[in-house]
Amino acid sequence: QVQLQESGPGLVKPSETLSLTCTVSGDSINSNSWSWVRQPPGKGLEWVGSLSYSTTTKSNPSLKSRVSMSIDTTEKRFSLNLTSVTAADTAVYYCVRDQGSVYGFDSWGRGTLVTVSS
Amino acid sequence: SFVLTQPPSLSVAPGKTARIPCGADNIESDSVHWYQQKPGQAPIMVIYYDSHRPSGIPERFSGSNSGNTATLIITGVEAGDEADYYCQVWVIGADLWVFGGGTRLTVL
Repeated sequence: QVQLQESGPGLVKPSETLSLTCTVSGDSINSNSWSWVRQPPGKGLEWVGSLSYSTTTKSNPSLKSRVSMSIDTTEKRFSLNLTSVTAADTAVYYCVRDQGSVYGFDSWGRGTLVTVSS
Repeated sequence: SFVLTQPPSLSVAPGKTARIPCGADNIESDSVHWYQQKPGQAPIMVIYYDSHRPSGIPERFSGSNSGNTATLIITGVEAGDEADYYCQVWVIGADLWVFGGGTRLTVL
């Protein structure tokens, strides 16, 4: 059974870069797509972006060009960088296994709260 | 932009049937997925591809998708079903995932 674990700083200063890593166990990181989803406190879910080993990354247009993602097949983890953060980026960030348009997001990490504050 | 419309809240008595709608133009042409999120927990998938249940999800959960509305159906609602429910689709052409705003199900 796949397990996903987010890690990274819980506090980021405004204008700096938010960096998170998701470690994958129980599945091949090469064989699937992976996504990031965030949830501001008290609000709904928002897709941040998706990546896989073999295809280009895709990201939410609402985040413009602030998102970058990468995958490390050796360490079995993938990462998210979100630049120039503001308080609006404060959210719980989830990493998920993305099974595509037909099968959706079938496995989720527990999530990690990132607060943007000086 | 592509928007999935859900009612913010729905209340149902125990043992009754809850129907949670998710609306968009011609949504029947998309594969709709549904997630349940209980307070303080990560979401879990309860329905994928309109009406399919992942392993471990009770048969009480089902889905339909026709015209401009997809629907999550929970029969014999229990207190443990109280949660937020989100629909989701992949927007072909725009290459992005979209979630509905979520529906809070309250069991009376």
